[in-house]
Amino acid sequence: KAGVTQTPRYLIKTRGQQVTLSCSPISGHRSVSWYQQTPGQGLQFLFEYFSETQRNKGNFPGRFSGRQFSNSRSEMNVSTLELGDSALYLCASSLGPRDRSSYEQYFGPGTRLTVT
Amino acid sequence: TQLLEQSPQFLSIQEGENLTVYCNSSSVFSSLQWYRQEPGEGPVLLVTVVTGGEVKKLKRLTFQFGDARKDSSLHITAAQPGDTGLYLCAPREMNTGFQKLVFGTGTRLLVSP
Repeated sequence: KAGVTQTPRYLIKTRGQQVTLSCSPISGHRSVSWYQQTPGQGLQFLFEYFSETQRNKGNFPGRFSGRQFSNSRSEMNVSTLELGDSALYLCASSLGPRDRSSYEQYFGPGTRLTVT
Repeated sequence: TQLLEQSPQFLSIQEGENLTVYCNSSSVFSSLQWYRQEPGEGPVLLVTVVTGGEVKKLKRLTFQFGDARKDSSLHITAAQPGDTGLYLCAPREMNTGFQKLVFGTGTRLLVSP
């Protein structure tokens, strides 16, 4: 079974631009979560989608948004990029809220975003 | 919001040594996952512990969940250079159907040949 895939793997943008990152979950997984990882803050939760609905959101400004499609693929968008948005953006998929094992999250390789 | 602490933050050891890393919180968890992350890659799930006092083994790695489900430890026997990486614990809060994981700051392990 293929793992979580994220595209692109690397991205360089300038301040003020916007960016869209894509995530394809493991086949059969219906929940997708996004995380931001920086050296200073570690791994921080952005948001979670299940059945095309945002179920939970972390403490990030409104410039960070996301969506999920009917095939469970997800995208996240960051508008008006700031230097501090430079980070590794990780997507994780899981089965969804059914039983304890369904809470196990499997991560993609991440998208390294550099804002200059 | 739970306070989650991992210790030590950094650990540099020689091949063949044993080590233990800890994950502690003031909150009770419904379950806890351990991940290992290598530079430039996403975290890889190692194990999930669910029951208080539970012990799980994965080859040379032994994971223990505290009796009160507030803490966990990871013990590595005879460490090898391939064990090098960032070890993250990620507990899941009680009574929530959400998938949100709160990650510890991690323990960065370097095993030298």
